[in-house]
Amino acid sequence: DQQVKQNSPSLSVQEGRISILNCDYTNSMFDYFLWYKKYPAEGPTFLISISSIKDKNEDGRFTVFLNKSAKHLSLHIVPSQPGDSAVYFCAASGTGGGATNKLIFGTGTLLAVQP
Amino acid sequence: DAGITQSPRHKVTETGTPVTLRCHQTENHRYMYWYRQDPGHGLRLIHYSYGVKDTDKGEVSDGYSVSRSKTEDFLLTLESATSSQTSVYFCAMAGTGGAYEQYFGPGTRLTVT
Repeated sequence: DQQVKQNSPSLSVQEGRISILNCDYTNSMFDYFLWYKKYPAEGPTFLISISSIKDKNEDGRFTVFLNKSAKHLSLHIVPSQPGDSAVYFCAASGTGGGATNKLIFGTGTLLAVQP
Repeated sequence: DAGITQSPRHKVTETGTPVTLRCHQTENHRYMYWYRQDPGHGLRLIHYSYGVKDTDKGEVSDGYSVSRSKTEDFLLTLESATSSQTSVYFCAMAGTGGAYEQYFGPGTRLTVT
């Protein structure tokens, strides 16, 4: 059973426009959510995160929104740039912090930003 | 400079042979993890470690073992490789203090023929 779902395998956006990547989760015990970005032949890199006590976190062009009642989070990239083209993974943790910090990952969304 | 490295970066091996992948970190982080990435599955946790000689199983641990004799090194062993273990393997590390963020190595592409 996939506890973290990214239902869009791919997304294509024009440069300068907004990219919206979506993620749904099923486990109400998750209390921390992260987005990772992955280029081909490289490891995933941490992008932005949000705690369940917040509904929004912003870092430059990247904003993550959390809707706990809908068990849904989204990553907004504004404006999108060609260098943003990558696979984006959503991840969730529900270990209560500290101990083992295990993450559950979604299947990823391939974002293509067209010049 | 990369705080976490993996070796080898690419490996081709035959079914039934043992294979060991190495992860090395220079950040003195307590937690280390091994994942595999496969199309349609994202990243799945194989094993993790919460200290020297302290390890535990993840979601897809069958056919894999790990060892951590030093803080900086975390080894993943496929005792008898099978074609279903063809994948890209990533190692990750995380610090203490309740931080959730994990930092990943560059990956090892393993092909079992």
